[in-house]
Amino acid sequence: DIQMTQSPSSLSASVGDRVTITCRASQGIRNDLAWFQQKPGKAPKSLIYAASSLQSGVPSKFSGSGSGTDFTLTISSLQPEDFATYYCQQYNSYPVTFGGGTKVEIK
Amino acid sequence: EVQLVESGGGLVQPGRSLRLSCVASGFTFDDYAMHWVRQAPGKGLEWVSGISWNSGRIGYADAVKGRFTISRDNAKNSLDLQMNSLRPEDTALYYCAKDTLLVGPGSIDYWGQGTLVTVSS
Repeated sequence: DIQMTQSPSSLSASVGDRVTITCRASQGIRNDLAWFQQKPGKAPKSLIYAASSLQSGVPSKFSGSGSGTDFTLTISSLQPEDFATYYCQQYNSYPVTFGGGTKVEIK
Repeated sequence: EVQLVESGGGLVQPGRSLRLSCVASGFTFDDYAMHWVRQAPGKGLEWVSGISWNSGRIGYADAVKGRFTISRDNAKNSLDLQMNSLRPEDTALYYCAKDTLLVGPGSIDYWGQGTLVTVSS
């Protein structure tokens, strides 16, 4: 099975900060990587697919990059509505696997 | 508008069975693979199972293999998860999710609101 390692597991940031979250796959997954945002008590929301493509309706402050084993999610200017937990997910092969999540908190 | 509505959750004793269902609307159901993803209280997301448009390709997480069975009825726009030999560690909110591909796995673009399963004596 492919293991997905996210870092950091949590971070504190201020409104307006640029935030970067990393995700590493235990083996190459091409660009078969997605990012999700989840707020407390809510279902996850799809942000990015194919490592760098924005889902419809997702603001351009979110961006993704990477290929192979190393990936990043960047939020260019953190806003109050962006404080949430973010997950990466590989869908290169079954079983699909998620990273452990990164909780973005207000500093 | 895409809608995924899960049902069937509840309190069940260890070792017993439960069947979850998800009814889909707002898209052509048999054009896409589908998934179940769960989240234990206070924990992260865990993929459970996925199924292609025609049920020809199916995958399971190691934690549920041999105990859970995914199925779909394209005529009814429904996705099911039969859960047998339930364990306390299966306690979670179970989400139905739509894939972007016919066969999968592909990326997930839509999620339901989830149905809660509690396994306890």
